[in-house]
Amino acid sequence: EVQLLESGGGLVQPGGSLTVACTASGFTFSTHAMSWVRQAPGTGLEWVSAINAGGSRTFYADSLKGRFTISRDNSKNTLYLQMHSLRAEDTAVYYCVEDVGYDSSGSFDHWGQGTLVTVSS
Amino acid sequence: EIVLTQIPDTLSLSAGERATLSCRASQSVSNYLAWYQQKPGQAPRLLIYDATKRATGIPARFSGSGSGTDFTLTISSLEPEDFAVYYCQQRGDWRYSFGQGTKLEIK
Repeated sequence: EVQLLESGGGLVQPGGSLTVACTASGFTFSTHAMSWVRQAPGTGLEWVSAINAGGSRTFYADSLKGRFTISRDNSKNTLYLQMHSLRAEDTAVYYCVEDVGYDSSGSFDHWGQGTLVTVSS
Repeated sequence: EIVLTQIPDTLSLSAGERATLSCRASQSVSNYLAWYQQKPGQAPRLLIYDATKRATGIPARFSGSGSGTDFTLTISSLEPEDFAVYYCQQRGDWRYSFGQGTKLEIK
């Protein structure tokens, strides 16, 4: 059974930084691209970032303007999202999502339960 | 960036009725469109991918159709557990995007 367990969410002040992580199990992590998708409270879904299976290619939503960095450690079956210069509008549940392909294809098969990031003073 | 518009925002129906949800893309996404169901406090669940293919374990009452810019999710006979929010998502452009969602509520 595929399991994606996010961690690292919490309260951070505006302008601060935070790194969230996702530990994967139940599939061969190193052969799947991964994405982060977020959902602000009471709103819809927004794709944030993707990384291919080998970690050599990354993709970001235009709205992030270089503030976020996606990475992965295939030896630890773990996906990361480093977030800098956080703003109130970054407050959201961040979901870790498995892509069906080696390269990012946007075909999202399994989702974690999410970790809540709250940006507030 | 491709914008997806879902119609309607809210759909009020009774159990046993047929539900038809629409998703329109601002430009062609070929057949690279998926549908997700989300219940309160839960992660989204993949229902349909590549416009017409049911994901593993999804009941046959869910079906998808369309290509290019116009897509439809049909639930043939609503069960109580189907009342939720539904999102479409495109992967025709690498900047993946979602529709704003359609809330399917009990009438």
